[in-house]
Amino acid sequence: TQLLEQSPQFLSIQEGENLTVYCNSSSVFSSLQWYRQEPGEGPVLLVTVVTGGEVKKLKRLTFQFGDARKDSSLHITAAQPGDTGLYLCAGRTNTGNQFYFGTGTSLTVIP
Amino acid sequence: SQTIHQWPATLVQPVGSPLSLECTVEGTSNPNLYWYRQAAGRGLQLLFYSVGIGQISSEVPQNLSASRPQDRQFILSSKKLLLSDSGFYLCACPSSEGPHYGAEAFFGQGTRLTVV
Repeated sequence: TQLLEQSPQFLSIQEGENLTVYCNSSSVFSSLQWYRQEPGEGPVLLVTVVTGGEVKKLKRLTFQFGDARKDSSLHITAAQPGDTGLYLCAGRTNTGNQFYFGTGTSLTVIP
Repeated sequence: SQTIHQWPATLVQPVGSPLSLECTVEGTSNPNLYWYRQAAGRGLQLLFYSVGIGQISSEVPQNLSASRPQDRQFILSSKKLLLSDSGFYLCACPSSEGPHYGAEAFFGQGTRLTVV
């Protein structure tokens, strides 16, 4: 069962443009994480959000957790080629031992 | 902080051959451990997770199996590989320190398996 749906699946933009990636679910999560993955490597954690409505900024990246803790967004300002990669959201529920991963968004920033 | 080691990094195996991928963890004790498979450019599919030695939960019925012979060792195996077993295999465990203890996943470098 895929609990987290990401959109868009693929995104190709020019350097300097802004973009937003969405992560949606019908389930409530106690925390939600965003990861970036380079080809041939494991995902690397970018941020964790735990409070409904929380907004976190990491340089040009802004992460928001939905008020109901069912969805999240990642906004990148003035994208750079170094932002290219696969972005994954993941969540943990209050029960169970699993991490639930999103379907992934493949971002390409063209110089 | 914990470190996850996976090997080999790449593997090419013929159909019908056996498989053994190993994952070891340093810097934490009695961690939950996870095996994921990833298709190119897509999200992660949970295959197995383990909460302790000898304890394995399977999420997807298939010809793969997992074992946890030691606290910090997690092995993914197959007796006979299929073409559909090709993919990128990742081992993971939860964070063992910090403000979000247990809420974040840390990954090994992965194994690229190609079944030919």
